[in-house]
Amino acid sequence: DGGITQSPKYLFRKEGQNVTLSCEQNLNHDAMYWYRQDPGQGLRLIYYSQIVNDFQKGDIAEGYSVSREKKESFPLTVTSAQKNPTAFYLCASSTDRGPQETQYFGPGTRLLVL
Amino acid sequence: QKEVEQNSGPLSVPEGAIASLNCTYSDRVSQSFFWYRQYSGKSPELIMSIYSNGDKEDGRFTAQLNKASQYVSLLIRDSQPSDSATYLCAVNRPLAGGYQKVTFGTGTKLQVIP
Repeated sequence: DGGITQSPKYLFRKEGQNVTLSCEQNLNHDAMYWYRQDPGQGLRLIYYSQIVNDFQKGDIAEGYSVSREKKESFPLTVTSAQKNPTAFYLCASSTDRGPQETQYFGPGTRLLVL
Repeated sequence: QKEVEQNSGPLSVPEGAIASLNCTYSDRVSQSFFWYRQYSGKSPELIMSIYSNGDKEDGRFTAQLNKASQYVSLLIRDSQPSDSATYLCAVNRPLAGGYQKVTFGTGTKLQVIP
């Protein structure tokens, strides 16, 4: 099946701990994105990558880091510098560049702080 | 002014009625417009895209775009309880290099009453 997978579904973080969220896609999409969603709020862009070995900060990148070593994979690390990490994290990938570029989402990871 | 604005709702409609969801955007160079449906605790699912002025129909869903008024709407005919969800409006605008920046609204919660 083609699609975007995220793991784990739930993740618990202890104080001062770094945690990594996985995102994999087999859609052959070049671009991948990480969003954060808080209750009652829209999606806020954390990082995005348009091509392998390149990524850009989004609107709320502080306290997060990413890598893009393979086209299929775009893991997100939530570092201890992120003081309010509890949120629903969504990974997306998109079709070709251009006006009709369309984003598709994975199932999400819910991060909770212990 | 927010880039993409939606009424948070909830919008309550009786089963079988037409639900009308509205979205306004601020950037006149925006080119592509999307509606996503998000069930509680789940990730957003693309249901409609529209690129030119006018109406676009897909089953019970109709997207309407008016670029002069910077307004996009989603009509759901014969609303069903299974349509109860939050509907996110998303707007693309072009960046350098052919890339797009997509901005999401905070969503409108729709409740279809049996």
